[in-house]
Amino acid sequence: EVQLVQSGGDLVQPGGSLRLSCAAFGYTVGDHYMDWVRQAPGKGLEWVGRTRHKTGGYFTEYAESVKGRFAISRDESKNSVFLQMNNLRTEDTAVYYCVRWISGNPDCWGQGTLVTVSS
Amino acid sequence: DIVLTQSPDSLAVSLGERATINCRSSQSVPHNSNYQNYLTWYQQKPGQPPKVLIYWTSIRAFGVPDRFSGSGSGTDFTLTISGLQPEDVALYYCQQYYSPPYNFGQGTKVEIK
Repeated sequence: EVQLVQSGGDLVQPGGSLRLSCAAFGYTVGDHYMDWVRQAPGKGLEWVGRTRHKTGGYFTEYAESVKGRFAISRDESKNSVFLQMNNLRTEDTAVYYCVRWISGNPDCWGQGTLVTVSS
Repeated sequence: DIVLTQSPDSLAVSLGERATINCRSSQSVPHNSNYQNYLTWYQQKPGQPPKVLIYWTSIRAFGVPDRFSGSGSGTDFTLTISGLQPEDVALYYCQQYYSPPYNFGQGTKVEIK
């Protein structure tokens, strides 16, 4: 069974850093595009960033709101994707989801992990 | 950037009746070689991650009941629920995945009348 299991959410102060993990089970994480999507409390969905598959050179793209502060990476040995978040702001408070894309189908979502940025 | 605007923001439909949600794009959403536009629809229930219903504008995801259907092209897309069921009460989002930022619509809340 294909599954994405997330971890790493926490309470962090403004200006702080956090790394979110998304571990893939049932498939090889390097074979597919992966997105990060977030949802602020009571709000809609916001696309955060994308990493392409190995064939695509693991090319990354980011929303303007996080460009220069967030970075997506992969570790093939852990079959995982990561979202490194630096210089966090209160407006980054949200539930963060990782998403697998396969042939134009966003078929698998992680369970989500809550990031709270507050002093 | 491609901006998606959903309408209505919320709707209440009687059980067994049809619910129609629209998603309008600020510019044409391109299609692939099969003339399928880069647009997907999700359903989200409280406390859960979104679940894909429709991708490539009109392809139902695995396990999605056939009362859900997607249509459209260019700048106008529609999600139709034919015969609303109690378990369909949820938020619904469209998303374009042609060019970054891969924006979502603002969401439509579907309730039972």
